[in-house]
Amino acid sequence: QKEVEQDPGPLSVPEGAIVSLNCTYSNSAFQYFMWYRQYSRKGPELLMYTYSSGNKEDGRFTAQVDKSSKYISLFIRDSQPSDSATYLCAMRDNYGQNFVFGPGTRLSVLP
Amino acid sequence: EAGVVQSPRYKIIEKKQPVAFWCNPISGHNTLYWYRQNLGQGPELLIRYENEEAVDDSQLPKDRFSAERLKGVDSTLKIQPAELGDSAVYLCASSLGVRHQETQYFGPGTRLLVL
Repeated sequence: QKEVEQDPGPLSVPEGAIVSLNCTYSNSAFQYFMWYRQYSRKGPELLMYTYSSGNKEDGRFTAQVDKSSKYISLFIRDSQPSDSATYLCAMRDNYGQNFVFGPGTRLSVLP
Repeated sequence: EAGVVQSPRYKIIEKKQPVAFWCNPISGHNTLYWYRQNLGQGPELLIRYENEEAVDDSQLPKDRFSAERLKGVDSTLKIQPAELGDSAVYLCASSLGVRHQETQYFGPGTRLLVL
């Protein structure tokens, strides 16, 4: 079992839909959680960063962490065609110096 | 502000040939990372530098891969000889320091195809 797992997709939704992207993980020591967006043939760019459990909102994006279930989510409200990309989750513990990335979920928002 | 610069963007080589990738991080960023991203996978760390020092190279296949970061700025990642399985995107990233790695910035990557 991989340390971090994501639904690979592709996930196709109509413009304006609410999108839910999810990651599960096995290491209960993970404390720092990040979501990256990666457009085709580009490097990942940081979207959201959260520490420990709880919610964090930034514009149309909400990151949610449920450590008891080892489950994190990224919600996108009012999705736009420009949101079409691969979304990667990443996480680490308090002691590790490096993040572990999930395999990514490819999202297509159809106009 | 210029982002992380990588070159070349694409490289096609025959197996057993050498290849090198170059990275120029964001000015003032002390920490530099090299990742490999296989198709349909997330990035996997190969090596991390703090200034000139390679502080984590545990995932670097040292029999064929080497890296250097002279003067704590630009970095080069080399593969010699390349194998078919090395085909991937090689990403460079930088951050202010290891305590700021949550805000690491990635370059566009070098897409390598080994034939």
